[in-house]
Amino acid sequence: GQQVMQIPQYQHVQEGEDFTTYCNSSTTLSNIQWYKQRPGGHPVFLIQLVKSGEVKKQKRLTFQFGEAKKNSSLHITATQTTDVGTYFCAGNGGETSGSRLTFGEGTQLTVNP
Amino acid sequence: KAGVTQTPRYLIKTRGQQVTLSCSPISGHRSVSWYQQTPGQGLQFLFEYFSETQRNKGNFPGRFSGRQFSNSRSEMNVSTLELGDSALYLCASGRVYSYNEQFFGPGTRLTVL
Repeated sequence: GQQVMQIPQYQHVQEGEDFTTYCNSSTTLSNIQWYKQRPGGHPVFLIQLVKSGEVKKQKRLTFQFGEAKKNSSLHITATQTTDVGTYFCAGNGGETSGSRLTFGEGTQLTVNP
Repeated sequence: KAGVTQTPRYLIKTRGQQVTLSCSPISGHRSVSWYQQTPGQGLQFLFEYFSETQRNKGNFPGRFSGRQFSNSRSEMNVSTLELGDSALYLCASGRVYSYNEQFFGPGTRLTVL
């Protein structure tokens, strides 16, 4: 079945440093979504990428979807303590998959002030 | 608009018992998905319901079942509980069947003793 791998598992940064997490799927994806889960919280939707090579920005966050639609990345510029949490990528296989998401293992980000 | 609600928030059961968890999606959302989150396995898809029909099912044993009512509310049931069923069970709702962001509820923390 479809597998989504995400690295690194943990990332510790100083406030102001940049952060990147990478996601790779074993199969071509229809779309990929990114979620953030704060400690003790639940996943919160950040963004959805659908097109090959798509790049989307949300303030300090930049999301990319690979040309082959099998990989994706999330880059945070100048991290802040509010960025703390676990970032998950989640792949969707297309219409036959419905809303089913295959989640990566997540990257846990800690930010030292 | 109220978010996804899940009840109960915490549950303690013993091995062999059964449990029913409830999820009320965001008003107007017709898709409800269930996920199990554990430290070891991460976020794993259980099943998805749309218009009262199970549309997708993950790789979980038959002890895990669910249903959706005409008002889109959903329940999941786990019979003959095992220690390994201890997890955070998350419900997510979406407006349509596919290609849409998922809104997660706060989850039900199930502990099996």
